[in-house]
Amino acid sequence: TQLLEQSPQFLSIQEGENLTVYCNSSSVFSSLQWYRQEPGEGPVLLVTVVTGGEVKKLKRLTFQFGDARKDSSLHITAAQPGDTGLYLCAGAYTSGTYKYIFGTGTRLKVLA
Amino acid sequence: GAGVSQSPSNKVTEKGKDVELRCDPISGHTALYWYRQSLGQGLEFLIYFQGNSAPDKSGLPSDRFSAERTGGSVSTLTIQRTQQEDSAVYLCASSLAWLGEQYFGPGTRLTVT
Repeated sequence: TQLLEQSPQFLSIQEGENLTVYCNSSSVFSSLQWYRQEPGEGPVLLVTVVTGGEVKKLKRLTFQFGDARKDSSLHITAAQPGDTGLYLCAGAYTSGTYKYIFGTGTRLKVLA
Repeated sequence: GAGVSQSPSNKVTEKGKDVELRCDPISGHTALYWYRQSLGQGLEFLIYFQGNSAPDKSGLPSDRFSAERTGGSVSTLTIQRTQQEDSAVYLCASSLAWLGEQYFGPGTRLTVT
């Protein structure tokens, strides 16, 4: 069974601090996405990474895909209260047919 | 343009009853996906459609679950003889093409009493 494990599971930090969220698997993914989900809403896609070693930046968010395409990280610089939410990584792989799995999630709270 | 919509937004049903959950994808999106998100747990992939076809139904939790899509648009997820463990938020997403960027609806919160 494919599994995407995220760490930490919960994170509470002060405004202005930096943080990193990790997404790890023992399996190789053809692509990996990061989403943010707020209460009562569906996840919203932040970024897709495809190439091993790829780094993408989205304002204060930096995403990296591991060289072996088994892991990824999300780094937030100078966190703001608006960054509060559930961060989810997700990956696509084929096992006879298409499968798409989500990570276990990291719930981030940024305190003003 | 309109995003993905789901109805109802909330559903409370008694154990043993059947429920139908509806998803209206973004117009023109050929791929549609159903997920389940239980309290304190991540999203569980249930089934996807390419057009009206669901190539793999192995992600459905049991044979009480079924899904269909008609006209390449609206999809319905049906749960028969609901059980308490079926309580969860059921999310639908659509993408322009298979493996494309997925846009999620707000979900249907199902509570089985």
